[in-house]
Amino acid sequence: AQSVTQPDIHITVSEGASLELRCNYSYGATPYLFWYVQSPGQGLQLLLKYFSGDTLVQGIKGFEAEFKRSQSSFNLRKPSVHWSDAAEYFCADTPGGYQKVTFGTGTKLQVIP
Amino acid sequence: GAVVSQHPSRVICKSGTSVKIECRSLDFQATTMFWYRQFPKQSLMLMATSNEGSKATYEQGVEKDKFLINHASLTLSTLTVTSAHPEDSSFYICSAGGPNEQFFGPGTRLTVL
Repeated sequence: AQSVTQPDIHITVSEGASLELRCNYSYGATPYLFWYVQSPGQGLQLLLKYFSGDTLVQGIKGFEAEFKRSQSSFNLRKPSVHWSDAAEYFCADTPGGYQKVTFGTGTKLQVIP
Repeated sequence: GAVVSQHPSRVICKSGTSVKIECRSLDFQATTMFWYRQFPKQSLMLMATSNEGSKATYEQGVEKDKFLINHASLTLSTLTVTSAHPEDSSFYICSAGGPNEQFFGPGTRLTVL
């Protein structure tokens, strides 16, 4: 079955430090990949997505992600974290074709001064 | 861009009552919509696939008689939680979209007292 794995449940970084959130997908063919952010009590906000082409994708709020087929990974990065980035981050994929989205378990990011 | 709305955004009800949640695609038609549920501090889990003009498809473990889904038009799907109980309290999110991507509604927070 299709699955998305986020190995890190909770990550703490200092403000201004770099960030990398890990994501691995299991779908055999190239899936459509997404990163969402969710603040407490709020809905999902799309940070970025990968469909095809350049494997390094840029998103909003200074985030980027790199698709690596050999590692079945789609890790999210940010060079300098801001306190406002503290939230829950979800990696997700879909095989396309109007099918459902499968979410990872999420990574909670804590930012310390 | 594609916009999906949900109504209400928040609802509190008494145990045993029924609650209806609406999901609308505002600027596109959707033959398929999806309903997800998110318990506190957990990820989003697919509950059911809503198909316009036909019966919904429920994921394993989701009671179809408790969570009634109606997709009567190409822009509206409704989820009715019947005889709600406190354990049904959750964040419900719908999605609709195109061939490669789903667009998510802002979510409905249901609290059953």
